[in-house]
Amino acid sequence: AQSVTQPDIHITVSEGASLELRCNYSYGATPYLFWYVQSPGQGLQLLLKYFSGDTLVQGIKGFEAEFKRSQSSFNLRKPSVHWSDAAEYFCAVGAFNNNNDMRFGAGTRLTVKP
Amino acid sequence: KAGVTQTPRYLIKTRGQQVTLSCSPISGHRSVSWYQQTPGQGLQFLFEYFSETQRNKGNFPGRFSGRQFSNSRSEMNVSTLELGDSALYLCASSGSNTDTQYFGPGTRLTVL
Repeated sequence: AQSVTQPDIHITVSEGASLELRCNYSYGATPYLFWYVQSPGQGLQLLLKYFSGDTLVQGIKGFEAEFKRSQSSFNLRKPSVHWSDAAEYFCAVGAFNNNNDMRFGAGTRLTVKP
Repeated sequence: KAGVTQTPRYLIKTRGQQVTLSCSPISGHRSVSWYQQTPGQGLQFLFEYFSETQRNKGNFPGRFSGRQFSNSRSEMNVSTLELGDSALYLCASSGSNTDTQYFGPGTRLTVL
């Protein structure tokens, strides 16, 4: 079965600084990869996804992620963080063999300093 | 298109009771998945329904069950509630096997 590791539980960055959130996955075949964001008490909002093709994926809110097969990684980046980006970020990997089987990482909580 | 809706948004129950949560998927979506989110265990997959059939199930006890109706709306039921069932229950819908899952706002269940 597939699995996801987000090594950083909590990250603090200053507003305007760049951001990189790490995600490593384990899956035997080509993975479907996702990043979601969750504000306190809310559901998950899709930021971006990778199914195939260009390994650099652009998402909403100025986020991007790069799929690196050799490193089994799908790190999320943003060049300049805004205070409104403070939230919890989840990486997920999907294995869609006749069902929807999504596995999520433990999440990374992002704090933005003024 | 309207998003995924979940009702109720908040519930307070006592131990031993049972509860039913409802999820209405995005129009046209036939797959509905349920997740439990807790601070200690994170996001855990409960089960997935597609065209009224359970296709996939996570590692939860039989007290957790679900069903899907012909209009793709889904319900999950938890019987004999325990304190540890307190969580945010999230529902997600997708259009096909390889489609993205879109999440609802969740139902916050508190068991006293």
